[in-house]
Amino acid sequence: EPEVTQTPSHQVTQMGQEVILRCVPISNHLYFYWYRQILGQKVEFLVSFYNNEISEKSEIFDDQFSVERPDGSNFTLKIRSTKLEDSAMYFCASGAGTGVTDTQYFGPGTRLTVL
Amino acid sequence: AQSVAQPEDQVNVAEGNPLTVKCTYSVSGNPYLFWYVQYPNRGLQFLLKYITGDNLVKGSYGFEAEFNKSQTSFHLKKPSALVSDSALYFCAVRDMKYNFNKFYFGSGTKLNVKP
Repeated sequence: EPEVTQTPSHQVTQMGQEVILRCVPISNHLYFYWYRQILGQKVEFLVSFYNNEISEKSEIFDDQFSVERPDGSNFTLKIRSTKLEDSAMYFCASGAGTGVTDTQYFGPGTRLTVL
Repeated sequence: AQSVAQPEDQVNVAEGNPLTVKCTYSVSGNPYLFWYVQYPNRGLQFLLKYITGDNLVKGSYGFEAEFNKSQTSFHLKKPSALVSDSALYFCAVRDMKYNFNKFYFGSGTKLNVKP
C-alpha cells in the first residue's frame, strides 16, 4: 500500500537556523498539506498546497514558513529562521481530491527540536 | 468554527474487553468525521470516516464508530481489544470551506491494552 514518507525522522537545529523538512506524497495525489503537533497539544493545520501554489494557510504559517514542490515527487516545508517554539512534530499529508469522501493520508512525521 | 474534543488523555482496557474512545464535535454545517491511529514512529493512519448515512461506521482492524447527532459524538469502539491496538487515537473533523479542506484534530487519546 502506498505511503507518505518524510525525512528526516528527527531534526535538531539551533535557534535562528534554517531547516527544510521533506515529504514524498503518494504518487497520484494532487493535494498536499502540512500539519504540526507541539508536544502535548493538538495536531494543527499549517498549509494546503495545490497546483504549485498555496491554497490555504493558517495564522501559524507566517513569513518564516514556505512550501515548495521542487520536482514531481517531493514536497518541502522550509522554516527560514527557527524559533524555540517551532519545536514540534511536523506531519505531511496528501490526498487525491478534496471531495467530501476524500481522505488525507499522513506521513510518519518529522520531530523538529530547536535548541 | 469546527472543533473536536477528546475528553480522555488515556484509556486503559484489558485484552478481550470492549473499548471505547470518546470524541465530541462542534461544527457549523454537516459533520464529516474521521478517526486516525498513530503507532510509534508511524504516521497517522486512517481508520474510518463518517460522511452520511448509517450512524454505525465500520473501519479497519475491527474498529467501528457510532455517530450520534443529538449528543454530537463520534465515539470509537471495538468489541474485543487486542494488545496490538495500543496506540494514540485521534478524532478529526473536516472543514470544507473554500473546497480546499483541512482537518481539525482532537488532542489524542492514548489507548493502553493490557494482556
